[in-house]
Amino acid sequence: GQSLEQPSEVTAVEGAIVQINCTYQTSGFYGLSWYQQHDGGAPTFLSYNALDGLEETGRFSSFLSRSDSYGYLLLQELQMKDSASYFCAVKYNNNDMRFGAGTRLTVKP
Amino acid sequence: GAVVSQHPSWVICKSGTSVKIECRSLDFQATTMFWYRQFPKQSLMLMATSNEGSKATYEQGVEKDKFLINHASLTLSTLTVTSAHPEDSSFYICSAKDREVGNTIYFGEGSWLTVV
Repeated sequence: GQSLEQPSEVTAVEGAIVQINCTYQTSGFYGLSWYQQHDGGAPTFLSYNALDGLEETGRFSSFLSRSDSYGYLLLQELQMKDSASYFCAVKYNNNDMRFGAGTRLTVKP
Repeated sequence: GAVVSQHPSWVICKSGTSVKIECRSLDFQATTMFWYRQFPKQSLMLMATSNEGSKATYEQGVEKDKFLINHASLTLSTLTVTSAHPEDSSFYICSAKDREVGNTIYFGEGSWLTVV
């Protein structure tokens, strides 16, 4: 199958840490990406993992476990501007890319 | 960084007419471009994969005669919505794969189509 599962909504307060999980069931897996999308805007690339482990980019980190078909996006020191939808996306060997349904993050004061 | 330009950003058309959306990679060559459709508060749904110099590969359920895709050069792909209907109103967005850098796919700004 080619399904991706991620929570539909997450709420947190400013300064907190939030983890958004993504599980996938797919063949031909090549890598896992994360994108941020604000309402009315285009998705913007956050991170990409092809190998197991943690990738850190500033306040955002992404983790992948290929054996568990699982990854997560970790957002630290949350800011109000981080309120957006976050999509995990699987890249396949044939360059195809499929998106999860998205997680809507709401950051409260 | 790499830039993908999509035009127009907003378009309103009458039912029954056709509208063309362009997707250009501005500073890299893209042998592969992807077209997505997104309804409000929903995920991006892949419509088709556009390959330079060959026919597009459409996803199941997407009408190839209604959504015409042309990828005539390494920097341009077009999506034409033919005989548009109000249910075609949506956010259409393209992405392009840099042939030199395979790990990142760059998105265009998206196009809002409203069919009245």
